[in-house]
Amino acid sequence: GQNIDQPTEMTATEGAIVQINCTYQTSGFNGLFWYQQHAGEAPTFLSYNVLDGLEEKGRFSSFLSRSKGYSYLLLKELQMKDSASYLCAVLDSNYQLIWGAGTKLIIKP
Amino acid sequence: GAVVSQHPSWVICKSGTSVKIECRSLDFQATTMFWYRQFPKQSLMLMATSNEGSKATYEQGVEKDKFLINHASLTLSTLTVTSAHPEDSSFYICSAPGLADIYEQYFGPGTRLTVT
Repeated sequence: GQNIDQPTEMTATEGAIVQINCTYQTSGFNGLFWYQQHAGEAPTFLSYNVLDGLEEKGRFSSFLSRSKGYSYLLLKELQMKDSASYLCAVLDSNYQLIWGAGTKLIIKP
Repeated sequence: GAVVSQHPSWVICKSGTSVKIECRSLDFQATTMFWYRQFPKQSLMLMATSNEGSKATYEQGVEKDKFLINHASLTLSTLTVTSAHPEDSSFYICSAPGLADIYEQYFGPGTRLTVT
């Protein structure tokens, strides 16, 4: 079966750095997405990786290793508004998005 | 950027009634739209893929006679929850694939359905 694993919850301090990991086992791979979802709202796009390596976009970076079936989202200079759930999703061989359960990130002052 | 709207943003209905949720792509055409359901503290669950001009494709375990999907135009898909029950209370979100090659999904703001 297809499976995406990410931690259920993480806590970090304002101004610090946090890394959210995601491992996946899917039938085929056409890219990995990270989305941010605030409570009661729809997900918003953060990043997309299809090749190995690090993609940097401001305070957020996303890394992919296809051979290891592994990705992480790195958030720097954490702000209180970064408190949200972070969803990892993989586009499989049928171009269907397979979603992880999400990681709830709690930022403390 | 691509914008997807949903209406209503929240709705309360009585058990046994039907509720229609609209999903519109405002500045682009979407031949395909996706309908998701999300229960509290859980991830998105794909319910069905809506295809303009043809029948929707439902995921395993989703009752097509209960969740009616109509994709009547290139900018509008509707989800009707028929004979709603309290267990249908959930957050319903639609999305449409973007125009870029990366197949990014643009999400609507979601509809909170509460069945009493």
